[in-house]
Amino acid sequence: GQSLEQPSEVTAVEGAIVQINCTYQTSGFYGLSWYQQHDGGAPTFLSYNGLDGLEETGRFSSFLSRSDSYGYLLLQELQMKDSASYFCAVKRGGDDKIIFGKGTRLHILP
Amino acid sequence: GAVVSQHPSWVICKSGTSVKIECRSLDFQATTMFWYRQFPKQSLMLMATSNEGSKATYEQGVEKDKFLINHASLTLSTLTVTSAHPEDSSFYICSARAQGSGRNTEAFFGQGTRLTVV
Repeated sequence: GQSLEQPSEVTAVEGAIVQINCTYQTSGFYGLSWYQQHDGGAPTFLSYNGLDGLEETGRFSSFLSRSDSYGYLLLQELQMKDSASYFCAVKRGGDDKIIFGKGTRLHILP
Repeated sequence: GAVVSQHPSWVICKSGTSVKIECRSLDFQATTMFWYRQFPKQSLMLMATSNEGSKATYEQGVEKDKFLINHASLTLSTLTVTSAHPEDSSFYICSARAQGSGRNTEAFFGQGTRLTVV
């Protein structure tokens, strides 16, 4: 089976930095992805880590440690529009399925 | 990036009727598409994997006779919710990966379909 753990909610201040952690347990792990979802919308892809280390895309960065089964999403210079749910997801080798965590609701205060 | 179009974006139907949801890859060919269901404030739960030209594979606990999946071409997969009940009301989302793409590529999601059964 598989499981992903991430905090249910995080609150941060506009302009600040926030880190959302994700730990996973799965068979056939291939990579860790992050998705953003605004209320009523579909998930949009943010980043993917197939190897250990940090991936940076603008204000968003994602990190993976395969030995620790751990990753995080780092959001910098927070803006009000970043208020959304963020999901970590594991990609399984073999069947290429993407399994989602329960999501972290990010609240941003002005 | 690649575009996946899902239709309709929302639908209201009566209990006992069937509803078909379409998922199209507009600018790429998708050998495999995935169907998810999301209840309010919950995660996306994988329902089934749709394979072009073959039967879909369903996740444990998903009734294959209730959720009919057809993947007739490399650009189209359909999900039909048969004999819908109010508890089937949910947000249904499809995703697709491009044919021949490497494993380290993202999955592209459709816009989702909000189904309400009354």
